[in-house]
Amino acid sequence: TQLLEQSPQFLSIQEGENLTVYCNSSSVFSSLQWYRQEPGEGPVLLVTVVTGGEVKKLKRLTFQFGDARKDSSLHITAAQPGDTGLYLCAGEPSGTYKYIFGTGTRLKVLA
Amino acid sequence: EAGVTQFPSHSVIEKGQTVTLRCDPISGHDNLYWYRRVMGKEIKFLLHFVKESKQDESGMPNNRFLAERTGGTYSTLKVQPAELEDSGVYFCASSLLAGARSYNEQFFGPGTRLTVL
Repeated sequence: TQLLEQSPQFLSIQEGENLTVYCNSSSVFSSLQWYRQEPGEGPVLLVTVVTGGEVKKLKRLTFQFGDARKDSSLHITAAQPGDTGLYLCAGEPSGTYKYIFGTGTRLKVLA
Repeated sequence: EAGVTQFPSHSVIEKGQTVTLRCDPISGHDNLYWYRRVMGKEIKFLLHFVKESKQDESGMPNNRFLAERTGGTYSTLKVQPAELEDSGVYFCASSLLAGARSYNEQFFGPGTRLTVL
């Protein structure tokens, strides 16, 4: 069974702090996506990475895909209360058209 | 442009009853996916339609679950008879493209929360 382990599971930080969320697997993925989910809503896509070593930035969020395409990280600079939510990574195993979701990281940013 | 919509938003049924969930994908999206999250677990893939055809149904838990997509537009997911362990949030997603030829941007609906008592 392919698994995507996310860490940490829970994170509570003060506004202005930096944080990094990790997504790790022993499987190789054709692409990997990061989502953010609010209560009562479906996951919303933040970014897709497809090339090993790729780095993408979305304002204060920096996403990196591992060289071997087995892991990824999400770094948030100067976190704000509006960043609070559930962050999910999802990898597309090579040769499939479906996504394996990670266990999720629940982030709370305190004002 | 309307996003992916799901109906109902909540459903509470008793064990043994039947429930049908509906998903309307984004217009023009040939690819439609069903996912499920049960309490405390990660979101898990159930199946993938390309138009009206089932591309991959490897995630369907058992034969109590039946998904259809007649005409390649909206899709239904029927659970019959429902069991306690079927409780969870059922998500539908749609995408224009599929696979690793290009990145597969899936757009998710808000989900249907199913509670089986």
